[in-house]
Amino acid sequence: EAQVTQNPRYLITVTGKKLTVTCSQNMNHEYMSWYRQDPGLGLRQIYYSMNVEVTDKGDVPEGYKVSRKEKRNFPLILESPSPNQTSLYFCASSLKGTSGRAFTYEQYFGPGTRLTVT
Amino acid sequence: DQQVKQNSPSLSVQEGRISILNCDYTNSMFDYFLWYKKYPAEGPTFLISISSIKDKNEDGRFTVFLNKSAKHLSLHIVPSQPGDSAVYFCAARTSNFGNEKLTFGTGTRLTIIP
Repeated sequence: EAQVTQNPRYLITVTGKKLTVTCSQNMNHEYMSWYRQDPGLGLRQIYYSMNVEVTDKGDVPEGYKVSRKEKRNFPLILESPSPNQTSLYFCASSLKGTSGRAFTYEQYFGPGTRLTVT
Repeated sequence: DQQVKQNSPSLSVQEGRISILNCDYTNSMFDYFLWYKKYPAEGPTFLISISSIKDKNEDGRFTVFLNKSAKHLSLHIVPSQPGDSAVYFCAARTSNFGNEKLTFGTGTRLTIIP
């Protein structure tokens, strides 16, 4: 089954304790992205990756790191989490078209990770 | 600065009637528009899209209309069904030197009343 998986689904942690949220897709997609969803703010992009070893900042990258060492995996790293990073996080992936441009309009989303930082 | 706005946080519609969800945008560089649907405890799923060079796209019960002069996008669902109850996000795409970015609205919670 084609899917994007995220782990963990729920996480409660304390300020300053490093954590990693994993994301994996089995569709051989080149483009991957992380979003956070907050009430009244919709989905905001944190980081994205056009291909292996190619990453770039989205709208709200502060306090986050990513890596893309393999095509299927795109982990989100919070080196020193703070309470304002309490949110619902989504990983997404999409195909790259024959023109070489990622078709971000057909992004497949993971089920989400609800993170609480106290 | 919210470039994609969904001004109605919620909408209730009787089953069988038409649901109309609206979205306004400010950035003239958006070249593609999309609607995503989200159920609780699940990730958003792609619903329908429209290119900026078109004014209408239809897929079964779902039709998206684009009014570029008004910078307005709408999603029509006819007839509405209980399974359509979800949060709907409008999104718009920009492309810059091969890097593509989606900007999402804040979402509208649609409730279909049986």
